[in-house]
Amino acid sequence: EVQLVESGGGLVQPGGSLRLSCAVSGFTFSSHWMSWVRQAPGKGLEWVANIRQDGGEKNYVDSVEGRFTISRDDAKNSLYLQMNSLRAEDTAVYYCARALVMGPTNRNFDLWGRGTLVTVSS
Amino acid sequence: SYELTQPPSVSVSPGQTASITCSGDKLGDKYACWYQQRPGQSPVLVIYQDNKRPSGIPERFSASNSGNTATLTISGTQAMDEADYYCQAWDSSTAIFGGGTKLTVL
Repeated sequence: EVQLVESGGGLVQPGGSLRLSCAVSGFTFSSHWMSWVRQAPGKGLEWVANIRQDGGEKNYVDSVEGRFTISRDDAKNSLYLQMNSLRAEDTAVYYCARALVMGPTNRNFDLWGRGTLVTVSS
Repeated sequence: SYELTQPPSVSVSPGQTASITCSGDKLGDKYACWYQQRPGQSPVLVIYQDNKRPSGIPERFSASNSGNTATLTISGTQAMDEADYYCQAWDSSTAIFGGGTKLTVL
């Protein structure tokens, strides 16, 4: 069964750090781009970051550039998001998603986890 | 920065056709996809590459993309189709989502 299971969310104070994990099973993790997408309470979806199969290319939304780091461990079939200098506006459910790439601009998120809630508050 | 604009809400009667638009500068030159998100659930891909349906998505879901507008069409709308719908495209290496449209089946 194909599964993406996020963990690591919780309550953290502004300025604090948190590391999210996404455990993948049911497909060849090392063959796929992977992404993090977040959704603030009652709001829409926002792409956060993605990482290429070999980890050699990483991209971030401007609002997290320099604060968040995406990484992967193919041996553990796991995706990570290290979040530093957290702000109240980072409060959201964070989803791990598989990115199906069919061309340079022909990509979509075809598999999603259930998400993990990050709350940044004092 | 690139933006995608969707209407906040669309209403439809059961059995009728619902259309949800997504507007962006020269969106037709990009590939658009659509996600359905039911309350309390994760998003599900319903359309990719402008007009293709993933396995398991009912035939009543269709879409087009031309000019500045992509359109998701749901024919014979059912109560189970009530959800939030998001369009999405890529601008350079950045994924852009529309603001989402709440589809209400009255």
